[in-house]
Amino acid sequence: GNSVTQMEGPVTLSEEAFLTINCTYTATGYPSLFWYVQYPGEGLQLLLKATKADDKGSNKGFEATYRKETTSFHLEKGSVQVSDSAVYFCALSEKGGYNKLIFGAGTRLAVHP
Amino acid sequence: DAMVIQNPRYQVTQFGKPVTLSCSQTLNHNVMYWYQQKSSQAPKLLFHYYDKDFNNEADTPDNFQSRRPNTSFCFLDIRSPGLGDAAMYLCATSRDIVDTQYFGPGTRLTVL
Repeated sequence: GNSVTQMEGPVTLSEEAFLTINCTYTATGYPSLFWYVQYPGEGLQLLLKATKADDKGSNKGFEATYRKETTSFHLEKGSVQVSDSAVYFCALSEKGGYNKLIFGAGTRLAVHP
Repeated sequence: DAMVIQNPRYQVTQFGKPVTLSCSQTLNHNVMYWYQQKSSQAPKLLFHYYDKDFNNEADTPDNFQSRRPNTSFCFLDIRSPGLGDAAMYLCATSRDIVDTQYFGPGTRLTVL
């Protein structure tokens, strides 16, 4: 079945450090890929998405590129801020069927001043 | 601003006492979803409505029911909450069945 694997957290960084959170997926067909962010005590917010191979999603300085050959969608940011501290979820939804989101386990990011 | 609203944000109930969680949306989206997210875990889809059509996930317990009286509102009913049902419950909407899902802030349910 479809699945998403994320790197385990927590990831602890100093402010202005470079961030990478790895995400790989297993899916039949050609899924759409998403990164959602969850701040403490809040629901999920869509951070970025990509719907086909080689698409790059970007938002608020975060980027991720849909790599079909490596089945990956790694999240990157060049310079993190304390306000980026949150849990990040990678997810896929399979095209052609109903819109079920399959989430990874989440990666907690803690950014220190 | 168009949005997904969940009430209440925090709900406390007693073991076995029925509870209803509410979700409303001003996006006029056709699809509404309910997810359960237990502590430190990924959200898990319980069911969704496409317009008035209800779609249950195969592994959703019978204890969980849902109602969608109109386009704007969707309710999650837990008939007899157990301690294991304590979780964050997230409502999401999408314009159509293949579109991006937008989430509400969630309702954190505590079962005593």
